[in-house]
Amino acid sequence: AQTVTQSQPEMSVQEAETVTLSCTYDTSESDYYLFWYKQPPSRQMILVIRQEAYKQQNATENRFSVNFQKAAKSFSLKISDSQLGDAAMYFCAYTSNTGKLIFGQGTTLQVKP
Amino acid sequence: EAGVVQSPRYKIIEKKQPVAFWCNPISGHNTLYWYRQNLGQGPELLIRYENEEAVDDSQLPKDRFSAERLKGVDSTLKIQPAELGDSAVYLCASSFSAGGTWANEKLFFGSGTQLSVL
Repeated sequence: AQTVTQSQPEMSVQEAETVTLSCTYDTSESDYYLFWYKQPPSRQMILVIRQEAYKQQNATENRFSVNFQKAAKSFSLKISDSQLGDAAMYFCAYTSNTGKLIFGQGTTLQVKP
Repeated sequence: EAGVVQSPRYKIIEKKQPVAFWCNPISGHNTLYWYRQNLGQGPELLIRYENEEAVDDSQLPKDRFSAERLKGVDSTLKIQPAELGDSAVYLCASSFSAGGTWANEKLFFGSGTQLSVL
């Protein structure tokens, strides 16, 4: 069975600094997608970034980038130039062609001014 | 363009009472999902619809939970009777899935209904 693990329940970063959130996953599939979602207090899940497993190049979206290590089944999120609005809960998620989206336990990110 | 709309935003009920949640997906989205999110955890899928058909309800506790998606648009999730352990946020999401693509490629989520069972 596929699983997603986030081992950091809480992280904090100083405004304008860089922070990395960790995620590992387990699967026997060769074709899948990985995602990072942001959930602010409004509860609405917002897609931050996604990575197709067959692509070797790491995805980047403005200040957000990932480090995708397929062999190690690792998928970390780097947030550069952190802003107060980045404070939220971040979820790593996995999906394959089963249609099921599997989430990790989440990491609460605090941004200090 | 309106996003995924859910109501109510909050619901407080006593145990053994029934409760219903409503979701209106983004116009044109043929796939609809209900997730349950317990406090401090990630969402877990309860049921997935493709148009009117429930294609994955393996995680739905069918003894007390039911869902419907009439006409393949809005959906209602019901709990009867509610138990203390049902307290959670219930999230609805939608996506568009064309033949040969994965429905999960891009999901849009609503703001959820926070249920408190006393």
